[in-house]
Amino acid sequence: AQSVTQLGSHVSVSEGALVLLRCNYSSSVPPYLFWYVQYPNQGLQLLLKYTTGATLVKGINGFEAEFKKSETSFHLTKPSAHMSDAAEYFCAVRKYNTDKLIFGTGTRLQVFP
Amino acid sequence: DAGVIQSPRHEVTEMGQEVTLRCKPISGHDYLFWYRQTMMRGLELLIYFNNNVPIDDSGMPEDRFSAKMPNASFSTLKIQPSEPRDSAVYFCASSSSVQRGTGELFFGEGSRLTVL
Repeated sequence: AQSVTQLGSHVSVSEGALVLLRCNYSSSVPPYLFWYVQYPNQGLQLLLKYTTGATLVKGINGFEAEFKKSETSFHLTKPSAHMSDAAEYFCAVRKYNTDKLIFGTGTRLQVFP
Repeated sequence: DAGVIQSPRHEVTEMGQEVTLRCKPISGHDYLFWYRQTMMRGLELLIYFNNNVPIDDSGMPEDRFSAKMPNASFSTLKIQPSEPRDSAVYFCASSSSVQRGTGELFFGEGSRLTVL
C-alpha cells in the first residue's frame, strides 16, 4: 500500500532561516507526490506536485521539493522563511491507478521574528 | 472564478440530531471528494464521486454517514444520528478529468462540526 510519513509534527524557524519539512513515501510504483498548505481556518491548497520528469519541483511562494527515489523522500524546502509561511503543510501521494490522495499527518510550521 | 463552496462553515448540534453538509464544486469539475480532518486521525477520505456517481465509499465510517450528488453542481454529506465523535472539519474538494492524471484537488474552506 502507498503511504507518506511526515517527520516532525511541529517545526519552528526564525524569519529568514531555511525551511525544511520532511516527507518520506512508500510506494512500489513510481509515485505522484504533492505538498499542500493549509492556512488557519482555510482549506488546503496545492503548493507543488511531482508526477514525472524533473525531480526538482518548484511551487508557489518560493517553495520547492526534490524527489529522491534512492531515499524515498520528497522534502519541502524554502531558502528564507517569511512570517506568512506559518501554516500546516501536508505531504500526499496519489494512490496508484485511482483518483485518491493519501495525506500525511501534517507538519505545523511556526515562524518567529 | 468561484472556488469550492461549502456550507455551513460552522455547525453546532446535539447528539442524535441529523446534520447535513453541503458542497458546490467548481463548475466543470467532474470529480468530487469528501474528506474529514481530526487531530487524532488527520485527513481521511470518506467518499468520492465521478460524474455524480459514487466511486469509492470505503472511507465512510458507518451507516450513519451518507453522501449524495444529485447533479454536477451539488453534493451533500449527511450524518444521522450524529455523535460527539463525529466532531471534525469536513472538507469538500473537486477536480477535473484534465487534472486527473496529476491528482490535483481544489478544496473548499471546510465545515466545522461540533456535536455536543
